[in-house]
Amino acid sequence: EVQLVESGGGLVQPGGSLRLSCAASGYTFSNYNMNWVRQAPGKGLEWISFVSSSSSTVYYADSVKGRFTVSRDNAKNSLYLQMNSLRDEDTAVYYCARAVTPDYWGQGTLVTVSS
Amino acid sequence: EIVMTQSPATLSVSPGERATLSCRASQSVSNNLAWYQQKPGQGPRLLIYGASTRATGIPARFSGSGSGTEFTLTISSLQSEDFAVYYCQQYNNWPPLTFGGGTKVEIK
Repeated sequence: EVQLVESGGGLVQPGGSLRLSCAASGYTFSNYNMNWVRQAPGKGLEWISFVSSSSSTVYYADSVKGRFTVSRDNAKNSLYLQMNSLRDEDTAVYYCARAVTPDYWGQGTLVTVSS
Repeated sequence: EIVMTQSPATLSVSPGERATLSCRASQSVSNNLAWYQQKPGQGPRLLIYGASTRATGIPARFSGSGSGTEFTLTISSLQSEDFAVYYCQQYNNWPPLTFGGGTKVEIK
């Protein structure tokens, strides 16, 4: 069974940093591209980052470019999102999702940016 | 950036009735369009990709149609478990991947 489990969310002050993790299991992680998608409270879905299966290609939404860094460790079946210079508007549930048309999503981890 | 617009924002339907949800793209996305279902507290679930292909395990009451800029998700006979929020997403011209604002299907 495919599972994606995010962790690392929490409360952080504006300007702070957090590192999210996504642990994948039930499939060959290294064969799949991965994405991070977020959802602000009561709002819709916003794509924020993509990393190819080999890490050779990464993309970011303009809203996070220069502040967030996506990475993966295929040996550990893990995806990461390093978030720096956090802003109030980054408050959201962050999902990791498999593939460009995500067929599997995690349950999400909540990031709250507030003073 | 391709903007995806969904209508209506809220759809009130009785169980057993048909629901028709619309998604419009600001420019052609060919048939590179997916639909997702999201229930409270859960991650989205892929329903349809390629505008009309049901994902694995998705019941036949869900169907997708359209191409170019106009798309439709139809739920032929609403079951209790179908009341949720539905999102469309284009993957024809990216980055960025873009989602519609969602349609909430609620019990009438």
